[in-house]
Amino acid sequence: RKEVEQDPGPFNVPEGATVAFNCTYSNSASQSFFWYRQDCRKEPKLLMSVYSSGNEDGRFTAQLNRASQYISLLIRDSKLSDSATYLCAVNTGTDKLIFGTGTRLQVFP
Amino acid sequence: DTGVSQDPRHKITKRGQNVTFRCDPISEHNRLYWYRQTLGQGPEFLTYFQNEAQLEKSRLLSDRFSAERPKGSFSTLEIQRTEQGDSAMYLCASSSQGAGTEAFFGQGTRLTVV
Repeated sequence: RKEVEQDPGPFNVPEGATVAFNCTYSNSASQSFFWYRQDCRKEPKLLMSVYSSGNEDGRFTAQLNRASQYISLLIRDSKLSDSATYLCAVNTGTDKLIFGTGTRLQVFP
Repeated sequence: DTGVSQDPRHKITKRGQNVTFRCDPISEHNRLYWYRQTLGQGPEFLTYFQNEAQLEKSRLLSDRFSAERPKGSFSTLEIQRTEQGDSAMYLCASSSQGAGTEAFFGQGTRLTVV
């Protein structure tokens, strides 16, 4: 079993839609969690950290469910510019940052 | 520019040659990570440093790969006797120490082995 797993997608959604991605992790000792955005042939860029109580940044909401060992990312009112690959990253407790394979999002007009 | 920088951005090499990549982290960051990414996959962990100490190396990493961070600042990743399967994007990231600290990436070095 992979340490961090994501549905690769693609998720094809119309502009204005709400879309959610999940990411599961296997190490219960994992301490911190992040979502990154990656555009084609570019480096990953930090989108947001994920806090235990959940957190929101504009149209983006991240949540953590420790009991079920997953994190989620919700994007409201999708824009064309949101089209990208969304990577989840988990700090496994040994300070090793492990990434999922990414979920591809395509927003269409 | 105070971000993570990597050099070179692109490298084409013949099979069997050795290559070396450099990463300069954000100056106040003491953690430095190396990842490899191929098309359609997420970044695959290779190794990481805290200051000059290499704390972990992926079990999947061939002994042709070696990384150093001699003074706890910049790091180099060397691949000896390159193979076509080594073709990938090599990404470096850095972060501060402490739980919950975010890692920031450089633009990567794209390696093509012909």
